[in-house]
Amino acid sequence: KNEVEQSPQNLTAQEGEFITINCSYSVGISALHWLQQHPGGGIVSLFMLSSGKKKHGRLIATINIQEKHSSLHITASHPRDSAVYICAVYSETSYDKVIFGPGTSLSVIP
Amino acid sequence: GAGVSQSPSNKVTEKGKDVELRCDPISGHTALYWYRQSLGQGLEFLIYFQGNSAPDKSGLPSDRFSAERTGGSVSTLTIQRTQQEDSAVYLCASSFSHNYGYTFGSGTRLTVV
Repeated sequence: KNEVEQSPQNLTAQEGEFITINCSYSVGISALHWLQQHPGGGIVSLFMLSSGKKKHGRLIATINIQEKHSSLHITASHPRDSAVYICAVYSETSYDKVIFGPGTSLSVIP
Repeated sequence: GAGVSQSPSNKVTEKGKDVELRCDPISGHTALYWYRQSLGQGLEFLIYFQGNSAPDKSGLPSDRFSAERTGGSVSTLTIQRTQQEDSAVYLCASSFSHNYGYTFGSGTRLTVV
């Protein structure tokens, strides 16, 4: 079992739909990071979370430390949101170790 | 500069040669990270620097890999005696401090032939 799992693995949505991507982890963490990787390969940092909820524009990220689960929500999705979304966790015991999830490939169709 | 700069952007090298990859982080960012992404694979953490020191080098895939950072700024990742399995995109990222959001460079695409 991977230490960080994401679901779904692939997701196709119609423009305007509300999208949720999930991340579950099995290790103790100090923080969780959501990343966006565009088709060209460039990576953008979206959110760094250690508790609660963060919002930026149409993106919302939540984390439940007790349940070891985080969600990334995209409201009013747009084709430019098409990318791979990656969850990464910082180990609680070895703070410089980062463990990446496998990514969720999102395609938003006009 | 305004972002994280990596060079070269592309490198093709012959198997067995040494290569050096460079990362110039955002000014003032004390934390610097190296990752790699092999074709069709996820991101793999390699090493993290806080200032000039790397507390844990166990993420480096083999002893052919080494990294250093001097002056708390530029970092170099060196791969000795390159192998075909080293072919990947090597990404660098920096942040103000560990656990802050970080900025990625555009990567170095390494191809070992």
